[in-house]
Amino acid sequence: AAGVIQSPRHLIKEKRETATLKCYPIPRHDTVYWYQQGPGQDPQFLISFYEKMQSDKGSIPDRFSAQQFSDYHSELNMSSLELGDSALYFCASSSPGETQYFGPGTRLLVL
Amino acid sequence: AQSVTQLDSQVPVFEEAPVELRCNYSSSVSVYLFWYVQYPNQGLQLLLKYLSGSTLVKGINGFEAEFNKSQTSFHLRKPSVHISDTAEYFCAVSDGQGGSEKLVFGKGTKLTVNP
Repeated sequence: AAGVIQSPRHLIKEKRETATLKCYPIPRHDTVYWYQQGPGQDPQFLISFYEKMQSDKGSIPDRFSAQQFSDYHSELNMSSLELGDSALYFCASSSPGETQYFGPGTRLLVL
Repeated sequence: AQSVTQLDSQVPVFEEAPVELRCNYSSSVSVYLFWYVQYPNQGLQLLLKYLSGSTLVKGINGFEAEFNKSQTSFHLRKPSVHISDTAEYFCAVSDGQGGSEKLVFGKGTKLTVNP
């Protein structure tokens, strides 16, 4: 069965650089969620989209933005990167009223 | 606001022993509860979920959990663990039908199975 695809899987950036993370949901899933998991931490909800509209917003810094495109894939844009942004970023997808399924994550390291 | 408390940050057990990982939740609305497992350097895999109906939920890899509304608990159990069960386990709650709203996770329990 097809799963959630995230790219890249690993990313290394310098402070103050920008990064773009991509998420391709499971086919026919119209809702995408982004979570951030810091080292040794639990995943924290950042933002979600349903049918290309933002549906909920969590603890996402103003330096981050995200959108969902017409093909339902989503991108998380991160600017002015800080050391504290180093984390595992998960994308999850679901269809209405259904369980979220997670991708493998993108590991971001900011140096 | 919803919250989840995982009472044990680390649980060491011997192979073939039973294990229980504890989870308590708080929510002011209907709850949907989940257990996810994260193997080292991997993503989150759904173990099992409680949406409604029977309070005893069976999941993958021989795990099961019991929803107890009066005690606001959703403890995860396995009667006999294997070395391969070594992983981090996260309890999560959602107030969306089926988990379609954001998940709020506990801090995780690191299960270590020793030979």
